[in-house]
Amino acid sequence: EDQVTQSPEALRLQEGESSSLNCSYTVSGLRGLFWYRQDPGKGPEFLFTLYSAGEEKEKERLKATLTKKESFLHITAPKPEDSATYLCAVQLRGGGSQGNLIFGKGTKLSVKP
Amino acid sequence: KAGVTQTPRYLIKTRGQQVTLSCSPISGHRSVSWYQQTPGQGLQFLFEYFSETQRNKGNFPGRFSGRQFSNSRSEMNVSTLELGDSALYLCATTKTGDAGELFFGEGSRLTVL
Repeated sequence: EDQVTQSPEALRLQEGESSSLNCSYTVSGLRGLFWYRQDPGKGPEFLFTLYSAGEEKEKERLKATLTKKESFLHITAPKPEDSATYLCAVQLRGGGSQGNLIFGKGTKLSVKP
Repeated sequence: KAGVTQTPRYLIKTRGQQVTLSCSPISGHRSVSWYQQTPGQGLQFLFEYFSETQRNKGNFPGRFSGRQFSNSRSEMNVSTLELGDSALYLCATTKTGDAGELFFGEGSRLTVL
C-alpha cells in the first residue's frame, strides 16, 4: 500500500534553533514530491516540488531535499513567523491527476521567540 | 490576481441534512479538486474535475458528489450528513490539471451536530 509518513508530528523550536522535518514514503513509483505550508484556518500554500533523488530546492530559511526513500525540509535559524503545519505530498507515477497525490498528516512547527 | 474562493467559510448542519459547498478557481484554472481535512486522517482526496468531467474519485461513499460548470466553478454536495463528516473541506485548482503546484482555497469548515 502506498504510504506517506511525516515525523515528528509536532516540533517546538526556539527562534534561531535549526532543525529538519522528515517525510518518508513507500510508494509503487514516485513522480514528484511536494511540500506545502498550512497556517491555522487557511488552505495549504505550495512551497517546493522535487522530482529526483539528490535534488534540492531553497526558499529563504527553508531547504527541501529528496532521496529515494524520504525528503527533508531543513529550517535554518527559524523565526516565529515560520510557525505552521508543513505538509508533504507524493505524486504517484501514472499520470498527473490529483487522484495520484497522497498527503502526509503533517508536522506542526512552533517557533518561540 | 484573485485566489481560489470557497463559500461558505463556516456552516453548521444537523445529521441527515445535506450541504452544498462552492469553489471558484483562479481565472484560467480548469482543474478543480476537493479534499477533506480532519485532525485524524489529514488531507484526503475526494474527487477532481477537469473541463466539466470527473477525472478521478477518492474512496468516499456515494453521499459525496460534485460537479463542475462551464466556467470551471465547482460545487460539492454531501447528502444525509453524519457526525463524521465534520471537517474542513478544501478546494484546490491547477491550470493544466497536472498535480504539481496546487492552489488551495481557505476551506469551508463544516460542523455536523
